[in-house]
Order: sequence, then structure tokens, then C-alpha cells
Amino acid sequence: AQKVTQAQTEISVVEKEDVTLDCVYETRDTTYYLFWYKQPPSGELVFLIRRNSFDEQNEISGRYSWNFQKSTSSFNFTITASQVVDSAVYFCALSEVTGAGSYQLTFGKGTKLSVIP
Amino acid sequence: ETGVTQTPRHLVMGMTNKKSLKCEQHLGHNAMYWYKQSAKKPLELMFVYSLEERVENNSVPSRFSPECPNSSHLFLHLHTLQPEDSALYLCASSQKGVTEAFFGQGTRLTVV
Repeated sequence: AQKVTQAQTEISVVEKEDVTLDCVYETRDTTYYLFWYKQPPSGELVFLIRRNSFDEQNEISGRYSWNFQKSTSSFNFTITASQVVDSAVYFCALSEVTGAGSYQLTFGKGTKLSVIP
Repeated sequence: ETGVTQTPRHLVMGMTNKKSLKCEQHLGHNAMYWYKQSAKKPLELMFVYSLEERVENNSVPSRFSPECPNSSHLFLHLHTLQPEDSALYLCASSQKGVTEAFFGQGTRLTVV
């Protein structure tokens, strides 16, 4: 069975600090996809990134960067120079294929990030 | 107009009531999902519809009844719920064969 662990339940940082959110996963699949979603107080889950299991290149998008390490089954997310608008719950997720070609996401429990002005 | 729209945003219902949650997607996707998010559990997949056919039902109690009349609409019919069913219910959609799902803002359900 697939499993996603986000060990950090809550993190507080002061604005402009860098912060890293950890994600560790378990799967027996050789092909899989990893995701990060952001859930602001409004409730909607906002898709941030997808990474497939064959692509271990790190990715940077503005202040966001992701470090995928297959050897340690980790997919960590770093926010550089954090801002108050980054305050949200962040979810790491792992996909598996369900019937008829659709995908099921297994989510971690989420990390609540609070950025203090 | 957001990609995935859920109504109502908030719902309070008694244990003997019958209500329905609605989800509509404007992204041209052909797979839709219901997830449940409660306070102390990870997001749990409830149902998957692919091409309007239910393909997953993750041991969800029969008091939850999904309906997918077409690829753009998804309903969750609720009856005789329990207080522990109080949660945020999220709808999502995706394109078959594409991995990422896009979520609505959810319906915050309180059962009293």
C-alpha cells in the first residue's frame, strides 16, 4: 500500500526566512508521480507541482523549489524568502492508477505553515 | 469562473435530513472524484468516476450516494448522516491518463 508521511504538523517562520517542508513516501510501483498541493484558508487545494519517478532533477519556480531524492524516497519543498501569503496547509501526495485509467492520490496529513510578519 | 465549482460552500444538516452536494467542472475533464477531509485524518478518496462510470468506491457507507449524470457534473447525495461525517468534502477532476487533479473549494458539512 502507498503511504505519504509529512512529519512536520505545524511550522512557524518569520517573514523572509526560508522554510523546507519534508515529505517521505512509500510505494512498490516503479512508475509513480509525486505532487505538492497548497490549501489556503479558503479550502481549495491548489496544484503546485508534479514530478514523475524517472525525473530526479530538482525544480525551481520563483521562490519555490523541490528536491526529489529517490534514494531516500523523499520529495521536499522549500520556500525561499517566505511571505505572509505563503501561510497555508501544504500537502504532499503520491499517485497510483485506479481502474479505467484514472489516478488516485494518496495524501500526507499536511503541514500547516504560518508565516509571521 | 473557477475550474471546479462546489455548492453549497457550507451546509448544516440534521441526522434525519437528506441533502445533496454538487460539483461542476469547466475544464473538459473526464474523471471526477469525491474526497473527504476531516480534522485528524489525511484526505480520503471516497469515489472515482471515469467517463461517467464509477470505478472506485473506497468502502464508503451507503448513507453517501454519488451520482455522475455527465462528465461535467458530480453529486453526493447524503441521508441519515452521523456527527462523525462532519468534514470538508472536496470534489476534484482530471483528464483520464493525466495525473494531476484540480480541486474545488469544498463544502464544509456539519451534521448536528
